Amino acid sequence: QQPVQSPQAVILREGEDAVINCSSSKALYSVHWYRQKHGEAPVFLMILLKGGEQKGHEKISASFNEKKQQSSLYLTASQLSYSGTYFCGTEGGKLVFGKGTKLTVNP
Amino acid sequence: NAGVTQTPKFRVLKTGQSMTLLCAQDMNHEYMYWYRQDPGMGLRLIHYSVGEGTTAKGEVPDGYNVSRLKKQNFLLGLESAAPSQTSVYFCASSYGAGAYNEQFFGPGTRLTVL
Repeated sequence: QQPVQSPQAVILREGEDAVINCSSSKALYSVHWYRQKHGEAPVFLMILLKGGEQKGHEKISASFNEKKQQSSLYLTASQLSYSGTYFCGTEGGKLVFGKGTKLTVNP
Repeated sequence: NAGVTQTPKFRVLKTGQSMTLLCAQDMNHEYMYWYRQDPGMGLRLIHYSVGEGTTAKGEVPDGYNVSRLKKQNFLLGLESAAPSQTSVYFCASSYGAGAYNEQFFGPGTRLTVL
């Protein structure tokens, strides 16, 4: 079952913060976050695992509430390069992606 | 090190025609995936493979077939294309099981079915 992301879209000015949420109705082993820029392939940001372990490549923070089956991605002091669509993927057997949150960062 | 490559990048088909999309990875990954991406729908898993010679159905497998004859290649076939299969198709690979491993995506194939 597809996880639900909120908000669907957000517009920021450079330097502002944003939070993107992801929730699932299924018990989760992990939550993945990816970013996709227009016309490009999705790029891995982070995996959050049960028990608190995290794997990621960027200075982006996220949380995973296993009991609530929810994850949040925190984008602080946003930069123009943060613009794109963010997808969460929830793993309860197979990775299922949400519909995405479109983030626009303006100067 | 090319990562994940997809062939072709663009294709236009007429209804009823067939075609094969090729995905290749040079990272020695066991797992490979085919997704389709439609506006507002996110990425939906079509089929996947957990190793050479194995395939399994994803969320939206109808109308597609796949084969993994070599570890580095994963082929997606459309036997009789329909306009509903107009989409952007992404291939991805991962070292191990999806729960613990990041997926590396190819650049995508934009398919239009008239």
